[in-house]
Amino acid sequence: EAQVTQNPRYLITVTGKKLTVTCSQNMNHEYMSWYRQDPGLGLRQIYYSMNVEVTDKGDVPEGYKVSRKEKRNFPLILESPSPNQTSLYFCASSLGTTNTGELFFGEGSRLTVL
Amino acid sequence: DAKTTQPNSMESNEEEPVHLPCNHSTISGTDYIHWYRQLPSQGPEYVIHGLTSNVNNRMASLAIAEDRKSSTLILHRATLRDAAVYYCILRDVHRDDKIIFGKGTRLHILP
Repeated sequence: EAQVTQNPRYLITVTGKKLTVTCSQNMNHEYMSWYRQDPGLGLRQIYYSMNVEVTDKGDVPEGYKVSRKEKRNFPLILESPSPNQTSLYFCASSLGTTNTGELFFGEGSRLTVL
Repeated sequence: DAKTTQPNSMESNEEEPVHLPCNHSTISGTDYIHWYRQLPSQGPEYVIHGLTSNVNNRMASLAIAEDRKSSTLILHRATLRDAAVYYCILRDVHRDDKIIFGKGTRLHILP
């Protein structure tokens, strides 16, 4: 089954404790992206990647890092989480450049930073 | 980046058609118009997309204005399960970069 898998789905952590949210897709998609969703602010893009070893900033990249060492994985790294990073995070993927294919989203990861 | 404008919320009665508008006055010639929806407690899911011509699929229809500066997602017969946030976005066929979702339209269905 074609899917985007995020882990963990729920996480409560404390300020400053490094964490990684993993994202994996099984559709051989070139494009992957991370979004955060906050009440009243809609979906905001954090980082995106057009292919292996190619990443770029979205609208709200501060406080986050990503890597794309393999095509299927696109982890989101919070080196030193802060309470303002408490949010619902979504990973998405699609076929790449010059393709108008649909975005597939994961089920979301709800992160709370105390 | 070309952006879209949608109403914050809309209401419709069950079993009636729903027309969800989207303005994209700065659309470029290579931008496709995509619609997604997000059901409660789920990630967004693809609904439909188009370039110039109107499009139909099993979920909805997409009507695109002749000048492409606006579009309308049409749900032909709304059900309670269609209550969701609907997002209209633009995606450039030649570039894979920022894909801006915005806040979308929250659709309420009245029984």
